[in-house]
Amino acid sequence: AQSVTQLDSQVPVFEEAPVELRCNYSSSVSVYLFWYVQYPNQGLQLLLKYLSGSTLVKGINGFEAEFNKSQTSFHLRKPSVHISDTAEYFCAVMSRVTGGGNKLTFGTGTQLKVEL
Amino acid sequence: DSGVTQTPKHLITATGQRVTLRCSPRSGDLSVYWYQQSLDQGLQFLIQYYNGEERAKGNILERFSAQQFPDLHSELNLSSLELGDSALYFCASSPRMDTQYFGPGTRLTVL
Repeated sequence: AQSVTQLDSQVPVFEEAPVELRCNYSSSVSVYLFWYVQYPNQGLQLLLKYLSGSTLVKGINGFEAEFNKSQTSFHLRKPSVHISDTAEYFCAVMSRVTGGGNKLTFGTGTQLKVEL
Repeated sequence: DSGVTQTPKHLITATGQRVTLRCSPRSGDLSVYWYQQSLDQGLQFLIQYYNGEERAKGNILERFSAQQFPDLHSELNLSSLELGDSALYFCASSPRMDTQYFGPGTRLTVL
Protein backbone atom coordinates (compact mmCIF):
# COMPACT_ATOMS: atom_id res chain seq x y z
CA ALA A 1 0.00 0.00 0.00
CA GLN A 2 1.17 3.49 -0.74
CA SER A 3 1.95 5.82 2.13
CA VAL A 4 2.99 9.42 2.65
CA THR A 5 5.21 10.78 5.39
CA GLN A 6 5.32 14.42 6.30
CA LEU A 7 8.29 14.70 8.57
CA ASP A 8 7.39 17.95 10.29
CA SER A 9 4.10 18.43 12.10
CA GLN A 10 4.77 22.14 12.66
CA VAL A 11 7.05 24.61 10.90
CA PRO A 12 7.39 28.12 12.33
CA VAL A 13 8.97 30.69 10.03
CA PHE A 14 9.33 34.46 9.92
CA GLU A 15 7.61 36.47 7.23
CA GLU A 16 9.65 36.89 4.01
CA ALA A 17 11.86 33.92 4.93
CA PRO A 18 12.06 30.83 2.68
CA VAL A 19 10.35 27.61 3.72
CA GLU A 20 10.49 23.95 2.78
CA LEU A 21 7.83 21.44 3.83
CA ARG A 22 9.03 17.88 3.46
CA CYS A 23 7.12 14.96 2.01
CA ASN A 24 8.26 11.41 1.33
CA TYR A 25 6.15 8.73 -0.28
CA SER A 26 6.38 4.99 -0.71
CA SER A 27 5.32 3.46 -3.98
CA SER A 28 6.59 0.78 -6.30
CA VAL A 29 4.84 2.19 -9.35
CA SER A 30 4.62 5.52 -11.10
CA VAL A 31 2.93 8.09 -8.94
CA TYR A 32 0.76 11.12 -9.08
CA LEU A 33 1.61 13.52 -6.25
CA PHE A 34 -0.26 16.49 -4.85
CA TRP A 35 0.01 19.26 -2.31
CA TYR A 36 -3.15 20.70 -0.80
CA VAL A 37 -3.56 23.61 1.61
CA GLN A 38 -6.25 23.89 4.26
CA TYR A 39 -6.93 27.29 5.80
CA PRO A 40 -8.74 27.35 9.17
CA ASN A 41 -12.34 26.16 8.90
CA GLN A 42 -12.08 25.66 5.16
CA GLY A 43 -11.79 22.82 2.70
CA LEU A 44 -8.72 21.57 0.86
CA GLN A 45 -7.38 23.72 -1.94
CA LEU A 46 -5.08 22.28 -4.58
CA LEU A 47 -1.68 23.96 -4.53
CA LEU A 48 0.10 21.94 -7.19
CA LYS A 49 0.41 18.49 -8.69
CA TYR A 50 2.93 16.21 -10.35
CA LEU A 51 1.53 13.82 -12.94
CA SER A 52 4.48 13.45 -15.33
CA GLY A 53 7.06 15.51 -17.19
CA SER A 54 9.19 18.19 -15.57
CA THR A 55 10.18 17.32 -12.03
CA LEU A 56 9.89 20.95 -10.92
CA VAL A 57 6.26 21.85 -10.55
CA LYS A 58 4.97 25.36 -10.01
CA GLY A 59 1.73 26.02 -8.22
CA ILE A 60 -0.43 28.81 -6.95
CA ASN A 61 0.59 31.51 -4.47
CA GLY A 62 4.28 31.23 -5.38
CA PHE A 63 4.73 27.65 -4.21
CA GLU A 64 6.72 25.02 -6.08
CA ALA A 65 7.68 21.42 -5.49
CA GLU A 66 10.31 19.08 -6.84
CA PHE A 67 9.66 15.43 -7.59
CA ASN A 68 12.69 13.30 -6.77
CA LYS A 69 12.18 9.70 -7.77
CA SER A 70 15.45 8.37 -6.34
CA GLN A 71 14.72 9.87 -2.94
CA THR A 72 10.94 9.27 -3.20
CA SER A 73 10.37 12.86 -2.13
CA PHE A 74 8.10 15.70 -3.17
CA HIS A 75 9.12 18.65 -1.00
CA LEU A 76 7.19 21.93 -1.14
CA ARG A 77 9.05 25.24 -1.21
CA LYS A 78 8.39 28.93 -1.22
CA PRO A 79 11.21 31.48 -1.44
CA SER A 80 9.45 34.14 0.65
CA VAL A 81 6.42 33.45 2.82
CA HIS A 82 3.64 35.81 3.82
CA ILE A 83 1.45 35.89 6.90
CA SER A 84 -1.44 34.72 4.72
CA ASP A 85 0.43 31.43 4.07
CA THR A 86 -0.32 30.33 7.63
CA ALA A 87 -2.30 27.13 7.14
CA GLU A 88 -2.03 23.35 7.20
CA TYR A 89 -0.40 21.71 4.20
CA PHE A 90 -1.08 18.15 3.10
CA CYS A 91 0.94 16.00 0.76
CA ALA A 92 -0.95 13.22 -1.02
CA VAL A 93 -0.28 10.35 -3.40
CA MET A 94 -2.84 8.92 -5.78
CA SER A 95 -3.15 5.18 -6.22
CA ARG A 96 -5.25 2.91 -8.36
CA VAL A 97 -7.71 0.67 -6.57
CA THR A 98 -9.15 -2.71 -7.58
CA GLY A 99 -12.31 -2.07 -9.54
CA GLY A 100 -10.94 0.67 -11.72
CA GLY A 101 -11.10 3.46 -9.19
CA ASN A 102 -8.51 5.53 -7.42
CA LYS A 103 -7.97 7.29 -4.13
CA LEU A 104 -5.73 9.82 -2.43
CA THR A 105 -3.60 8.80 0.53
CA PHE A 106 -2.69 11.81 2.63
CA GLY A 107 0.15 12.59 4.97
CA THR A 108 -0.56 13.77 8.49
CA GLY A 109 -0.15 17.40 7.52
CA THR A 110 2.31 20.18 8.35
CA GLN A 111 1.11 23.27 10.16
CA LEU A 112 2.95 26.27 8.72
CA LYS A 113 2.95 29.23 11.07
CA VAL A 114 4.28 32.49 9.66
CA GLU A 115 5.31 35.05 12.25
CA LEU A 116 6.09 38.73 11.96
CA ASP B 1 -14.18 28.25 -4.74
CA SER B 2 -13.61 24.78 -6.19
CA GLY B 3 -17.09 24.46 -7.65
CA VAL B 4 -17.91 21.50 -5.40
CA THR B 5 -20.78 22.19 -3.02
CA GLN B 6 -21.66 20.36 0.16
CA THR B 7 -24.68 20.65 2.43
CA PRO B 8 -25.20 21.12 5.25
CA LYS B 9 -22.15 22.99 6.46
CA HIS B 10 -22.68 21.91 10.07
CA LEU B 11 -24.69 19.06 11.54
CA ILE B 12 -25.24 18.32 15.20
CA THR B 13 -27.01 15.12 16.16
CA ALA B 14 -27.21 12.50 18.87
CA THR B 15 -25.74 9.03 19.17
CA GLY B 16 -27.77 6.36 17.43
CA GLN B 17 -29.21 8.74 14.86
CA ARG B 18 -28.92 8.72 11.07
CA VAL B 19 -27.82 11.62 8.87
CA THR B 20 -27.37 12.30 5.17
CA LEU B 21 -24.64 14.49 3.73
CA ARG B 22 -25.03 15.85 0.23
CA CYS B 23 -22.46 16.73 -2.41
CA SER B 24 -22.79 18.34 -5.83
CA PRO B 25 -19.68 17.89 -8.01
CA ARG B 26 -18.20 20.44 -10.38
CA SER B 27 -20.05 20.72 -13.64
CA GLY B 28 -19.02 17.88 -15.92
CA ASP B 29 -17.12 15.86 -13.31
CA LEU B 30 -18.20 12.22 -13.29
CA SER B 31 -16.18 11.05 -10.29
CA VAL B 32 -17.16 11.79 -6.70
CA TYR B 33 -15.08 10.89 -3.66
CA TRP B 34 -15.81 11.01 0.06
CA TYR B 35 -13.17 11.56 2.74
CA GLN B 36 -13.30 11.81 6.52
CA GLN B 37 -11.01 14.13 8.47
CA SER B 38 -10.65 13.57 12.20
CA LEU B 39 -8.02 14.50 14.77
CA ASP B 40 -7.00 10.91 15.48
CA GLN B 41 -7.30 9.38 11.99
CA GLY B 42 -6.33 12.32 9.81
CA LEU B 43 -7.71 12.41 6.25
CA GLN B 44 -9.09 9.01 5.25
CA PHE B 45 -10.58 7.94 1.94
CA LEU B 46 -14.05 6.45 2.28
CA ILE B 47 -15.49 5.72 -1.15
CA GLN B 48 -15.51 6.71 -4.84
CA TYR B 49 -18.31 6.73 -7.39
CA TYR B 50 -17.93 7.18 -11.12
CA ASN B 51 -21.01 7.99 -13.20
CA GLY B 52 -23.30 6.29 -10.72
CA GLU B 53 -21.21 3.20 -10.06
CA GLU B 54 -19.08 2.42 -7.03
CA ARG B 55 -15.44 2.26 -8.13
CA ALA B 56 -13.32 2.21 -5.01
CA LYS B 57 -13.85 1.56 -1.35
CA GLY B 58 -11.62 2.60 1.51
CA ASN B 59 -11.96 2.58 5.27
CA ILE B 60 -15.71 2.97 5.21
CA LEU B 61 -17.68 1.48 8.09
CA GLU B 62 -20.60 -0.83 7.39
CA ARG B 63 -22.86 1.73 9.11
CA PHE B 64 -21.96 4.17 6.34
CA SER B 65 -23.19 4.01 2.77
CA ALA B 66 -23.14 6.26 -0.27
CA GLN B 67 -24.69 6.59 -3.67
CA GLN B 68 -24.40 8.75 -6.77
CA PHE B 69 -27.55 9.77 -8.56
CA PRO B 70 -28.20 10.21 -12.32
CA ASP B 71 -27.66 13.95 -12.01
CA LEU B 72 -24.23 13.06 -10.52
CA HIS B 73 -24.81 14.47 -7.07
CA SER B 74 -23.87 12.13 -4.25
CA GLU B 75 -25.09 11.41 -0.75
CA LEU B 76 -23.25 9.88 2.16
CA ASN B 77 -25.50 8.20 4.71
CA LEU B 78 -24.22 7.67 8.24
CA SER B 79 -26.33 5.55 10.59
CA SER B 80 -26.22 4.36 14.21
CA LEU B 81 -23.95 7.28 14.88
CA GLU B 82 -21.31 7.09 17.58
CA LEU B 83 -19.31 9.80 19.29
CA GLY B 84 -16.28 8.76 17.28
CA ASP B 85 -18.02 9.59 14.01
CA SER B 86 -17.68 13.28 14.80
CA ALA B 87 -15.46 14.64 12.04
CA LEU B 88 -15.24 16.77 8.94
CA TYR B 89 -16.58 14.97 5.88
CA PHE B 90 -15.27 16.13 2.52
CA CYS B 91 -16.53 15.45 -0.92
CA ALA B 92 -14.24 15.81 -3.93
CA SER B 93 -14.88 15.54 -7.64
CA SER B 94 -12.66 14.84 -10.61
CA PRO B 95 -13.03 15.15 -14.37
CA ARG B 96 -10.58 12.31 -14.94
CA MET B 97 -8.74 9.85 -12.78
CA ASP B 98 -6.21 12.40 -11.58
CA THR B 99 -6.88 15.74 -9.91
CA GLN B 100 -9.50 15.91 -7.17
CA TYR B 101 -11.20 19.18 -6.25
CA PHE B 102 -12.56 19.38 -2.73
CA GLY B 103 -15.70 20.92 -1.35
CA PRO B 104 -15.85 22.99 1.84
CA GLY B 105 -16.85 20.01 3.97
CA THR B 106 -19.62 19.13 6.41
CA ARG B 107 -18.73 19.26 10.07
CA LEU B 108 -20.58 16.51 11.93
CA THR B 109 -20.85 16.64 15.70
CA VAL B 110 -22.34 13.63 17.47
CA LEU B 111 -23.40 14.32 21.07
